[in-house]
Amino acid sequence: GAGVSQTPSNKVTEKGKYVELRCDPISGHTALYWYRQSLGQGPEFLIYFQGTGAADDSGLPNDRFFAVRPEGSVSTLKIQRTERGDSAVYLCASSLWGRELRSYNEQFFGPGTRLTVL
Amino acid sequence: SQELEQSPQSLIVQEGKNLTINCTSSKTLYGLYWYKQKYGEGLIFLMMLQKGGEEKSHEKITAKLDEKKQQSSLHITASQPSHAGIYLCGADMDSNYQLIWGAGTKLIIKP
Repeated sequence: GAGVSQTPSNKVTEKGKYVELRCDPISGHTALYWYRQSLGQGPEFLIYFQGTGAADDSGLPNDRFFAVRPEGSVSTLKIQRTERGDSAVYLCASSLWGRELRSYNEQFFGPGTRLTVL
Repeated sequence: SQELEQSPQSLIVQEGKNLTINCTSSKTLYGLYWYKQKYGEGLIFLMMLQKGGEEKSHEKITAKLDEKKQQSSLHITASQPSHAGIYLCGADMDSNYQLIWGAGTKLIIKP
């Protein structure tokens, strides 16, 4: 079975431009997470979807960041007016959390998109 | 400040030697997850611990969670080049969907 996929794997853009990062989760996973990871750091939570709705977007750094998951599967992270500080690896993960009654939340990660803002 | 402290930050080990990585929290953990990350790749799930005193092993990797559920260790026996990478611990502190992450431990294996 296919794992979590993310496209593009690398994105280089200029300051001020708009970018979209795509995540295709494991089929049937209702929970989807976006993280941002800077060099030498662990993942930083951005947003969590349960189905189509953003259940928690408290990690989005400001209103330039927005994410959607219109059909409860593929998600797109959108960044407007990119800044150099946005450069990082953006990770997507999915899990069965919320779909089954379970007390643990094993998240399956994609390979990430490396965003470089020049 | 980090809610989860990982130590050491980096580690260089001779191939064949044993090593231990630690993950410490000031709060009680509901679940502790160990992941491995290689450059340019996503995080690969290794093990998850939930109960105080729990210990799990997979091949040459053993993870333990202390009785107080505030500290976990990852031990690798007879290290191999394939063990090289960044080891991350993630914790569920409130029994909900969000994991809090340590900064990672970079492991280098010298041949």
